[in-house]
Amino acid sequence: GAGVSQSPSNKVTEKGKDVELRCDPISGHTALYWYRQSLGQGLEFLIYFQGNSAPDKSGLPSDRFSAERTGGSVSTLTIQRTQQEDSAVYLCASSLLVVGVQGEQYFGPGTRLTVT
Amino acid sequence: GDSVTQMEGPVTLSEEAFLTINCTYTATGYPSLFWYVQYPGEGLQLLLKATKADDKGSNKGFEATYRKETTSFHLEKGSVQVSDSAVYFCALRTGGFKTIFGAGTRLFVKA
Repeated sequence: GAGVSQSPSNKVTEKGKDVELRCDPISGHTALYWYRQSLGQGLEFLIYFQGNSAPDKSGLPSDRFSAERTGGSVSTLTIQRTQQEDSAVYLCASSLLVVGVQGEQYFGPGTRLTVT
Repeated sequence: GDSVTQMEGPVTLSEEAFLTINCTYTATGYPSLFWYVQYPGEGLQLLLKATKADDKGSNKGFEATYRKETTSFHLEKGSVQVSDSAVYFCALRTGGFKTIFGAGTRLFVKA
C-alpha cells in the first residue's frame, strides 16, 4: 500500500509568513509523529499524535508552532510568523499501536522549508 | 535527559571494506535501540533494532549489539558495497513514544 506522504516537498517562504505542512500517514496507523531535521543535525522530535489527540507536545520549539490531526488521519503542522531558524526538513512518521506497544515508525520523504 | 551520540562523518570506505559506526547513548530507563538509514533521495527507514541488553539486531548484512555495560550500539558490516552509501542514524526510545536520534553519519563507499 501507499507509504507516508507529505506535501509540499519544498516550500520557500518569506520571513514573517505563515506556512502549513501536510502529512498523510499510512492508512490505519493510529500514531503520527512530526520531527525536524536541521542541516547537520539529527532528527528533533516535535509532537506526537495518538488518534486526534497530542499527548506529547514537548518538542514544539515555540508557540509559533502548532499541529492538528483530524479524523485520525491527515495532520497539519503550522508555523506562524516564520523565522530563518525555522529552515529545515520537516519529517512525518506514522506507526501502529498494538496493545499499547508502538510499532515501527514509517517516515515520509519530508518537506524542505526555506525561510528567506 | 536521554541522548544519543554517534561518530561524526563523513566516513569514506572502499568497496568490501569493514564498516563500524560508533553509537553511545545516555538514558534513564531501559531503552530500545535502533539504527535507521536514509538513502539518497529517499525517506528514513528502519535498518535494525534491539530491545534489551545483549540483543543483536541484524539486517542486510549489518549488525549491532546492545551493550548495556558500555551503553553502546555500534553498527558494523563486514563488507560494504557502493549501494550502502547513505546517512545512518542511531536512535533510542524509552518506554514512551518519543524517539531520540543521533546527528547521523554519512557513509560514502567508493567502487
